[in-house]
Amino acid sequence: QSALTQPASVSGSPGQSITISCTGTTSDVGGYNYVSWYQQHPGKAPKLMIYEVSNRPSGVSNRFSGSKSGNTASLTISGLQAEDEADYYCFSYTSSNTPYVFGTGTKVTVL
Amino acid sequence: QLQLQESGPGLVKPSETLSLTCTVSGGSISSSTYYWGWIRQPPGKGLEWIGTMHYSGSTFYNPSLKSRLIISTDTSRNQLSLQLRSVTAADTAVYYCARHGVVGALTWFDPWGQGTLVTVSS
Repeated sequence: QSALTQPASVSGSPGQSITISCTGTTSDVGGYNYVSWYQQHPGKAPKLMIYEVSNRPSGVSNRFSGSKSGNTASLTISGLQAEDEADYYCFSYTSSNTPYVFGTGTKVTVL
Repeated sequence: QLQLQESGPGLVKPSETLSLTCTVSGGSISSSTYYWGWIRQPPGKGLEWIGTMHYSGSTFYNPSLKSRLIISTDTSRNQLSLQLRSVTAADTAVYYCARHGVVGALTWFDPWGQGTLVTVSS
């Protein structure tokens, strides 16, 4: 099972909105509402930001939202802030021989 | 507040066995509700799911590691363990433990331990 495909980098200015895509197949992203998203600052452990496509855990800013269309899931960060600069990873269940797979990761830069 | 803490040797020789422990505090690893997992991240690279276990013994392994991997729980110590045999330099990574979803919906990891760097080198 190959990793889910994410853009290597996305950038935006403070206050703008950006969207990170996570593309898979009908065996993973497209077939199940089991996509989650993680934020990772340098040298830190990942933090859960979105689960089951669009649900936000308690304590996560409502500037973060998730959605899915077909085989592509998306994480949108609105009102971009300097603290949002980090790496972001998607994760999904897959019906392939590897039951769980992460995305390739996206570096978000706040200009 | 649930917290997880990884521990183990930071340096392992090639061909030897990598052994790590994850100590859970603020909650019970023998909760029937939750699974527990291991994830790793080679330096400068992305995340890789290693495996997931329920205290009852139900286990899921990454097929690419399955032949070398054992994940277990010690309920008396509230710990999750990982053993990876015959390591090579490719196994050098930060290893994280995390709670992996709920029974019937292993869809997220939360919370995560801080991670521990394991280097494979002679």
